[in-house]
Amino acid sequence: AQSVAQPEDQVNVAEGNPLTVKCTYSVSGNPYLFWYVQYPNRGLQFLLKYITGDNLVKGSYGFEAEFNKSQTSFHLKKPSALVSDSALYFCGVRDMNNNAGNMLTFGGGTRLMVKP
Amino acid sequence: EPEVTQTPSHQVTQMGQEVILRCVPISNHLYFYWYRQILGQKVEFLVSFYNNEISEKSEIFDDQFSVERPDGSNFTLKIRSTKLEDSAMYFCASSGGRSNEQFFGPGTRLTVL
Repeated sequence: AQSVAQPEDQVNVAEGNPLTVKCTYSVSGNPYLFWYVQYPNRGLQFLLKYITGDNLVKGSYGFEAEFNKSQTSFHLKKPSALVSDSALYFCGVRDMNNNAGNMLTFGGGTRLMVKP
Repeated sequence: EPEVTQTPSHQVTQMGQEVILRCVPISNHLYFYWYRQILGQKVEFLVSFYNNEISEKSEIFDDQFSVERPDGSNFTLKIRSTKLEDSAMYFCASSGGRSNEQFFGPGTRLTVL
């Protein structure tokens, strides 16, 4: 079984400050991890993913995420937040085991509010 | 940039009626998916489809649901007899491979009255 936890329902940050949106996961095999963003009345937009390689992955719009195997975490970060980053962020996981399916399991989402 | 499209954007139906939600995945993608998001809740996996058959489905995807790829471009989700609790945003997604990221459509908001 695979699961994702996003412990914060909402994160508030001032524009220009760094932001972190937390995510922890659980899979039986190796994880395939990703972040999506959802703007109001829109679908999910892919931000970034981790499969293998460098633990720090860079994605769209200046976002990055750090894979930490020992802490089973994949926190989303950005050095300097913009008001336009305000949206709902979903962390997700898939088990890379060949016998596992393709289903993505999402966390409950974290609403990011960036204030001017 | 290629994108997944979905129609209609909003569907209102009476309880017990059948609905078909339509999706056009990205043209060279091979894996297709349906997810749903009940208002205010997380996005939940329904079904994945590859090589003209269901490859995986969740416990939500019961006998009332079916999927079809009727031609080379469309991918549909049918709900045979809608229930009030089927009201949700339904997202279609596609990917080029198992390890590739899934691209999501804008969603169809289904309202069952």
